[in-house]
Amino acid sequence: TVLTQSPGTLSLSPGERATLSCRASQSVSSSYLAWYQQKPGQAPRLLIYGASSRATGIPDRFSGSGSGTDFTLTISRLEPEDFAVYYCHHYDSSPPMVTFGPGTKVDFK
Amino acid sequence: QVQLVESGGGVVQPGRSLRLSCAASGFTFSTYGMHWVRQAPGKGLEWVSVISYDGSNEFYSDSVKGRFTISRDNSKNTLYLQMDSLRAEDTAVYYCAKESSVSVAMDFDYWGQGTLVIVSS
Repeated sequence: TVLTQSPGTLSLSPGERATLSCRASQSVSSSYLAWYQQKPGQAPRLLIYGASSRATGIPDRFSGSGSGTDFTLTISRLEPEDFAVYYCHHYDSSPPMVTFGPGTKVDFK
Repeated sequence: QVQLVESGGGVVQPGRSLRLSCAASGFTFSTYGMHWVRQAPGKGLEWVSVISYDGSNEFYSDSVKGRFTISRDNSKNTLYLQMDSLRAEDTAVYYCAKESSVSVAMDFDYWGQGTLVIVSS
């Protein structure tokens, strides 16, 4: 499964809404679709698992949706700490194989 | 709290070997599958390998198959990645990552801080 993310870069201001897209090359189970946030010099952090469930400690301004081949990460109102790169991720269990999308960078307009 | 601490990175010549370690604490290491993920400078995330909770199964990306070996020592709560026949394109930060569930592998809830491997003559 190949994951494609769009846009490559999203230039927004604090307080604005961010909508990030992840498209899979074939239909995937939502259970195996996750989103991660990565800031410069840091390891990735799990944001969303099962396409729509927030990980522990993740603010409710982050939400995930989608099914089949099209998935979306939405940040309702951008906070300064949300400017980062976001990756979608698919775990194919048989055989185990993990795919990451190329990432969407959310930066300051 | 869960901690994953990688070590063993450094500068190595092409064709040589290096072994990375990931020391785990704060959870029952022997019940979770573990992964290695790498990130080349300025690039995205690339999955490398996975090992089952008991070490009985391991899988690799095509880019490292036959050159890298993942292993674990549950008595020492440590994950390893033996990297042989290193190439310039293996230059990256290597992260270890923990699966979030003991029953069904779906995502990674904890990551280490990464260790940098530079393959250069």
